[in-house]
Amino acid sequence: QKEVEQNSGPLSVPEGAIASLNCTYSDRVSQSFFWYRQYSGKSPELIMSIYSNGDKEDGRFTAQLNKASQYVSLLIRDSQPSDSATYLCAVNMASGTYKYIFGTGTRLKVLA
Amino acid sequence: GAVVSQHPSRVICKSGTSVKIECRSLDFQATTMFWYRQFPKQSLMLMATSNEGSKATYEQGVEKDKFLINHASLTLSTLTVTSAHPEDSSFYICSATLGITSTDTQYFGPGTRLTVL
Repeated sequence: QKEVEQNSGPLSVPEGAIASLNCTYSDRVSQSFFWYRQYSGKSPELIMSIYSNGDKEDGRFTAQLNKASQYVSLLIRDSQPSDSATYLCAVNMASGTYKYIFGTGTRLKVLA
Repeated sequence: GAVVSQHPSRVICKSGTSVKIECRSLDFQATTMFWYRQFPKQSLMLMATSNEGSKATYEQGVEKDKFLINHASLTLSTLTVTSAHPEDSSFYICSATLGITSTDTQYFGPGTRLTVL
């Protein structure tokens, strides 16, 4: 079983719609969760972090965490063509080195 | 804030040569730096974790004698790919964190694209 799972996509949504990206993780003691956006040929850039159950909003982005279900999601409201990228879910495994485990990423396409 | 740079951004070398990649935290002191490798259409794979002044911790399957990591200061870590071969061609990305707690965010450098001929 993979430690962090994401649907590879592509997920296609029309411009202006809500894009919903999902991530599940296997380590129940994981404490912190991050969403990164990666454009083709570039390195990841941080969108949001979330540590507590519930929702966290930042502009058009909302992260949702449900530790009981071991599930974290990212909603993008009013999707724009510039949001087209691969979205990586990262989970801090709470080990001594506090390393991240990344999912394989979901490719999002926002259609103009 | 929290800017990480990498140098060079792109390098092409002949098989058998060594290549050094630098990772710098520009506006903060990084307790820990991480080195990743990413092959086309794949996710980031952690190679090693580096702490200033101590030996790097390598992930399973990563040859520590081939990928030499030196974390000389709180703002600089280097990765040297020794005796590079075509299969080492990849996108190498470093990241750095301010602290050592589970909530600390990793900030990524822009990456170095290595092509070994």
